[in-house]
Amino acid sequence: NAGVTQTPKFRVLKTGQSMTLLCAQDMNHEYMYWYRQDPGMGLRLIHYSVGEGTTAKGEVPDGYNVSRLKKQNFLLGLESAAPSQTSVYFCASSDGGTQYFGPGTRLTVL
Amino acid sequence: SQQGEEDPQALSIQEGENATMNCSYKTSINNLQWYRQNSGRGLVHLILIRSNEREKHSGRLRVTLDTSKKSSSLLITASRAADTASYFCATDARGGATNKLIFGTGTLLAVQP
Repeated sequence: NAGVTQTPKFRVLKTGQSMTLLCAQDMNHEYMYWYRQDPGMGLRLIHYSVGEGTTAKGEVPDGYNVSRLKKQNFLLGLESAAPSQTSVYFCASSDGGTQYFGPGTRLTVL
Repeated sequence: SQQGEEDPQALSIQEGENATMNCSYKTSINNLQWYRQNSGRGLVHLILIRSNEREKHSGRLRVTLDTSKKSSSLLITASRAADTASYFCATDARGGATNKLIFGTGTLLAVQP
């Protein structure tokens, strides 16, 4: 099992550009999450999903959109990137208890 | 924000010593979890303690939970250089059916060889 994978690992964007981060899990988990981690802070929840076809807002959803068209995939989109979205993004999946994390995507917005 | 807080923010000890990290939170919980993050990596689950449990052990890890004080502690015994990492507590709030976790700001542990 690969667990939770994220693509890409690194990305540099210019202000106003768009991009999609892909998260995939092979554990058949119902729950999936997107977090961002900034220096000196813990993880903050952006959006999450409790099952295929469902999404919900987390603590810091503004500027992001998500989709869960397939159970194993959870996509995070930035429609118009801003420097404030420079961060490390982590995806996680869960069966209702422990969360399993991907390796992260380091995004820089210039 | 319902974010928890860890104490201390940073801890430096010698190999072989014990390390204790504390976590405080604000809401009633179903469970509290501890995660570890090596530099530049994703988080790895260490241990989960339910709200009706007071203490739990896993190898060199000991976790306590005091729901009356809304606090938890993580003890790592006989520390090793490989234990150097950031440690986060995360709470699963009571009443939620989404398994959402609220993470603390973390304790950075440095174990000197």
